[in-house]
Amino acid sequence: EAGVTQSPRYAVLQEGQAVSFWCDPISGHDTLYWYQQPRDQGPQLLVYFRDEAVIDNSQLPSDRFSAVRPKGTNSTLKIQSAKQGDTATYLCASHRVGNTLYFGEGSRLIVV
Amino acid sequence: GDQVEQSPSALSLHEGTDSALRCNFTTTMRSVQWFRQNSRGSLISLFYLASGTKENGRLKSAFDSKERRYSTLHIRDAQLEDSGTYFCAAEAAGYQNFYFGKGTSLTVIP
Repeated sequence: EAGVTQSPRYAVLQEGQAVSFWCDPISGHDTLYWYQQPRDQGPQLLVYFRDEAVIDNSQLPSDRFSAVRPKGTNSTLKIQSAKQGDTATYLCASHRVGNTLYFGEGSRLIVV
Repeated sequence: GDQVEQSPSALSLHEGTDSALRCNFTTTMRSVQWFRQNSRGSLISLFYLASGTKENGRLKSAFDSKERRYSTLHIRDAQLEDSGTYFCAAEAAGYQNFYFGKGTSLTVIP
């Protein structure tokens, strides 16, 4: 069984630029999460979906961040007008209710 | 506020010794999962528990089945390859949001 796949693995941006991160969850997993993990901190939830519906996006900085999962499978997290404070690893995870949460390798973003 | 309090924040162990990590929850949780994050940043699942205990080799985890407000991870006979950062993540009852602790940085020394 393929794991959670994320791309790109790395991105380096100047402030003000935009970037999109893509996630392909494990097949059959209805719930998908995006976490932000700054260096030396724990993962912090940004948004999560059940199928194509957003369940909680209260921690997503809505003015610059957006996330979609249009067909309930793959998902895209977009950052517009990046800031240095966005420097972090962006982790995607998926699971079926009542089962183990699986993470991708993460997308490491550096904003200079 | 933080839903999950993880302790200790850092720990050094000599090879062959035992130790325990703990996560306390501010509210009743439905399940808990323990992860180790390696030097490449990958989060590797160690245990998923909805109740009781699970054991895998030198690792054992327990989830308080009564009040569901804490979990422990025991490491027996620590080895160099156990070094890394350990996280617990708790799933709130009635939701599917996983709250993470701030991690325990474990260093095993020869």
